[in-house]
Amino acid sequence: SAVISQKPSRDICQRGTSLTIQCQVDSQVTMMFWYRQQPGQSLTLIATANQGSEATYESGFVIDKFPISRPNLTFSTLTVSNMSPEDSSIYLCSVDGTPGGNEQFFGPGTRLTVL
Amino acid sequence: GENVEQHPSTLSVQEGDSAVIKCTYSDSASNYFPWYKQELGKGPQLIIDIRSNVGEKKDQRIAVTLNKTAKHFSLHITETQPEDSAVYFCAASKGSNYQLIWGAGTKLIIKP
Repeated sequence: SAVISQKPSRDICQRGTSLTIQCQVDSQVTMMFWYRQQPGQSLTLIATANQGSEATYESGFVIDKFPISRPNLTFSTLTVSNMSPEDSSIYLCSVDGTPGGNEQFFGPGTRLTVL
Repeated sequence: GENVEQHPSTLSVQEGDSAVIKCTYSDSASNYFPWYKQELGKGPQLIIDIRSNVGEKKDQRIAVTLNKTAKHFSLHITETQPEDSAVYFCAASKGSNYQLIWGAGTKLIIKP
């Protein structure tokens, strides 16, 4: 399976600021996904990012709040904009295991605290 | 849309005993059912998965069973060890072009 890294691993931010989270994969992948996991909760999909096209956002998530870039087949960024304490969560990126396959493999996550 | 329910929310078992976590899904078109293990401070790790054309799959101490008629699937861990302590998530999907729908998670505690 792919090796996925995320930066930063954790951060503490002030409300009103923005944070960009990076996701790097050690091999080329078709699909990359961004999830939010609030403390003690399950995973919620924010958006799907395919290289060369606009990200597809799930209900309740908008591009102005969570802009995503996918410049190539091994890298993506998620920005959390104009943060509030409600944005405090773990943000996870994942990738598809094989083109057309169902498996998803996850990075270690970014733990964000907004004060 | 698809809904996945997972039970129990917390499971405490004696080391060496077996643990069973159950999930039910609502959409009969779902055909892919993975299980993830999430340790504290880490991302979810895929531990086993099953597709709708198979009724059971085993990998050492871990097995998953699927009952398509009843629309439920279960994770079985035998001879539990302290390192099995984690949160386990089930999920369901209708295929590669569809998102994973996640269960709420089960916190598994292995008592020494």
